[in-house]
Amino acid sequence: AQSVTQLDSHVSVSEGTPVLLRCNYSSSYSPSLFWYVQHPNKGLQLLLKYTSAATLVKGINGFEAEFKKSETSFHLTKPSAHMSDAAEYFCVVSPYNFNKFYFGSGTKLNVKP
Amino acid sequence: GAGVSQSPSNKVTEKGKDVELRCDPISGHTALYWYRQRLGQGLEFLIYFQGNSAPDKSGLPSDRFSAERTGESVSTLTIQRTQQEDSAVYLCASSLEAGGAEAFFGQGTRLTVV
Repeated sequence: AQSVTQLDSHVSVSEGTPVLLRCNYSSSYSPSLFWYVQHPNKGLQLLLKYTSAATLVKGINGFEAEFKKSETSFHLTKPSAHMSDAAEYFCVVSPYNFNKFYFGSGTKLNVKP
Repeated sequence: GAGVSQSPSNKVTEKGKDVELRCDPISGHTALYWYRQRLGQGLEFLIYFQGNSAPDKSGLPSDRFSAERTGESVSTLTIQRTQQEDSAVYLCASSLEAGGAEAFFGQGTRLTVV
């Protein structure tokens, strides 16, 4: 069975402080993992993806995520939050050779000045 | 085209009417997906097309929902006898290949049933 759990529905940080958005997954197959961002009234944009290469993946806008198979986690981090990072973030799993994307329920990131 | 294109961007319809939503995927993408996003919720899988294979319709919520795709081009999602609970943003995505390729999403169609 495939599933994605985003552990926090809302995260609030101050500008300039680190961001951690947590994601755990369950997959019967070797998965590809993605983080997407959705700004208000905008479409979904790919932040980064893991596809069985390096376990630490760097994405756009300074975000990165680390694939930890032993913990079945794919947490998203950024060293220093910017006001423009305020958005909703979705963790997504796509089991290898099984073309369907399973979305987490999303984490809304609020960045305070 | 440069990205996934969906039309209309907004649709307001009366309860009981049929609606048709259109998706133009990225040229050359064999896989096409429809998702639904209700207000304040995550994305709900509806249907998946891959080339000429039979579509995966496992996410369609009722027989009022149907979708078609001609080859590897345009797809239409049809909702018959719309209900208020059908109000949502309907997102289309396409991807290049099977097995972990990233999906590119359109801007969505915001459907409001009044």
